[in-house]
Amino acid sequence: NAGVTQTPKFQVLKTGQSMTLQCAQDMNHNSMYWYRQDPGMGLRLIYYSASEGTTDKGEVPNGYNVSRLNKREFSLRLESAAPSQTSVYFCASREDSPDQPQHFGDGTRLSIL
Amino acid sequence: QKEVEQNSGPLSVPEGAIASLNCTYSDRGSQSFFWYRQYSGKSPELIMSIYSNGDKEDGRFTAQLNKASQYVSLLIRDSQPSDSATYLCAVFINDYKLSFGAGTTVTVRA
Repeated sequence: NAGVTQTPKFQVLKTGQSMTLQCAQDMNHNSMYWYRQDPGMGLRLIYYSASEGTTDKGEVPNGYNVSRLNKREFSLRLESAAPSQTSVYFCASREDSPDQPQHFGDGTRLSIL
Repeated sequence: QKEVEQNSGPLSVPEGAIASLNCTYSDRGSQSFFWYRQYSGKSPELIMSIYSNGDKEDGRFTAQLNKASQYVSLLIRDSQPSDSATYLCAVFINDYKLSFGAGTTVTVRA
């Protein structure tokens, strides 16, 4: 049982380049999330998707776009990468019940030069 | 005011001691609370969840919830070097959003 799978695990980009971070879950969860984690700032929500076909902004959406391709997959795109987007990115999913926690992928470590 | 605040740490405790972690939250209507452990370079993993006022014990971990004071805590008894990690408090805010504190880093000294 893979849970939440993120690709790639590491990536180095130059300023202005674009890339897409991939996330897939096999737990049949409706809700999926993208977070970034920076030292001393905890997990900050970038975007989330409550169901296939819907997406909503979180705390820090600027510079990012997302696509909920189907129930399993939720991708995060950086159109023109900036050094301020250097971070660790986590994808998560959860069941639609208030007592259910989020399950996290292993993360993508992204450096932008 | 931040939605979820944790004691800033870092917290250093000797092996075998009790580590006490605290968390406060701003939304009085919150109903579900979670503690995650995150080792350096790894993803957060769930260690405790609590929904009702009082204590909940799981092995060496005890979560405490006081909704009137909007306060959640985590006690780690008989702390081991393997407990050295960052602990994240998370609070269910609305239908879809889980809000996280900045985390408290715990170091257990052998």
